[in-house]
Amino acid sequence: DIQMTQSPSSVSASVGDRVTITCRASQTISNYLHWYQQRPGKAPKLLIYGASTLESGVPSRFSGSGSGTDFTLIINSLQPEDFATYFCHQSFTAPNTFGQGTRLEIK
Amino acid sequence: QITLKESGPTLVEPTQTLTLTCTLSGFSLRTSGVGVGWIRQPPGKAPEWLALIYWDDDKRYSPSLKTRLTITKDTSKNQVVLRMTNMDPADTATYYCEGTVAGSQKRYWGQGTLVTVSS
Repeated sequence: DIQMTQSPSSVSASVGDRVTITCRASQTISNYLHWYQQRPGKAPKLLIYGASTLESGVPSRFSGSGSGTDFTLIINSLQPEDFATYFCHQSFTAPNTFGQGTRLEIK
Repeated sequence: QITLKESGPTLVEPTQTLTLTCTLSGFSLRTSGVGVGWIRQPPGKAPEWLALIYWDDDKRYSPSLKTRLTITKDTSKNQVVLRMTNMDPADTATYYCEGTVAGSQKRYWGQGTLVTVSS
């Protein structure tokens, strides 16, 4: 199985800050990497797919980059609604695997 | 508009078999390149991928759960069914179905269904 190592596991930030979350795959996954936001009690919401394609309706302060084994999600100018948990997901090969999540908390 | 909706029991007793159905709308299991899978998420934990079936009936399973899982499709109803045998309280989770179409890496998720395993 491809292991997805996501970091940090948690981060505290303030409204207006920029936050960077990374995901590293244990082997190359090309650009088959997706990012989700999850609020308590809700289904994961797709933010970015194909490593860098912004899902329709997602604010442009979210961006994704990377290819191969190293990927980054950047959130610029944090808004109150951005405080949530974020997961990465590789679909390059089965079994698909997920990162362990990053909890973004208000400082 | 592509949507997926999960249905099935909310409560299952230990050792029983869970059967979940994913009903697709806006895309068809007959279309080349379509894939539909299942993912679960225990409370407070990361999602865990379970199984996937393609339009051509090719199937993939999680190695750790393969002996307990069966994924099938009914193209006439545009549904995908997941069966998981010998349920245990550790299988308590929200179960999601997820779809993909050819030519795009976009992921489409259902709203999820919470399954509790308890006697």
